[in-house]
Amino acid sequence: NAGVTQTPKFQVLKTGQSMTLQCAQDMNHNSMYWYRQDPGMGLRLIYYSASEGTTDKGEVPNGYNVSRLNKREFSLRLESAAPSQTSVYFCASSARLGAGANVLTFGAGSRLTVL
Amino acid sequence: GDSVTQMEGPVTLSEEAFLTINCTYTATGYPSLFWYVQYPGEGLQLLLKATKADDKGSNKGFEATYRKETTSFHLEKGSVQVSDSAVYFCALSRNRDDKIIFGKGTRLHILP
Repeated sequence: NAGVTQTPKFQVLKTGQSMTLQCAQDMNHNSMYWYRQDPGMGLRLIYYSASEGTTDKGEVPNGYNVSRLNKREFSLRLESAAPSQTSVYFCASSARLGAGANVLTFGAGSRLTVL
Repeated sequence: GDSVTQMEGPVTLSEEAFLTINCTYTATGYPSLFWYVQYPGEGLQLLLKATKADDKGSNKGFEATYRKETTSFHLEKGSVQVSDSAVYFCALSRNRDDKIIFGKGTRLHILP
């Protein structure tokens, strides 16, 4: 099925470990995003990539790095995980439908726990 | 800066009740407005959208009207079902840079 695929779905890390969340979309979308979802905080944008070769910081970029590997793939890396990064992470991609209607398609999420 | 404010939950209703979830926004220019829904254990999915003032978005019995004068985009449904239990997010899309800003979400519980 077409859509956004994230891996892994679950991960447990110890403080200080590193890991990369992978995301791929097969809808030929130009823009891709990483959000984190925390109770009572809604969705917060970590980084986004408006097009292949560009990345920009969102609301909460500290402690994260991203790579837009090609048009399909956008990865999120935690270099030295901290307990504050325990969260559910969502990757999304978007296609402009004209008139500013930038509609997001989300992956199923990756639940990360940092001990 | 641009922002979206929606009513805090949880909202608990009985089946067949009328639903309103309030959403207001602050933005420069003329953003597009959206409601997304997140069912348990899943990612968000688009419920409806409106791209200009006075547009009405609708889907699955839900409606929302883009009110520029009150900067609002309230979600309504005339008769809710148990299957509507989910978290609902209001969002805006900024035309100038493709950034999308979400509200904090409203959890809806529908009792049979």
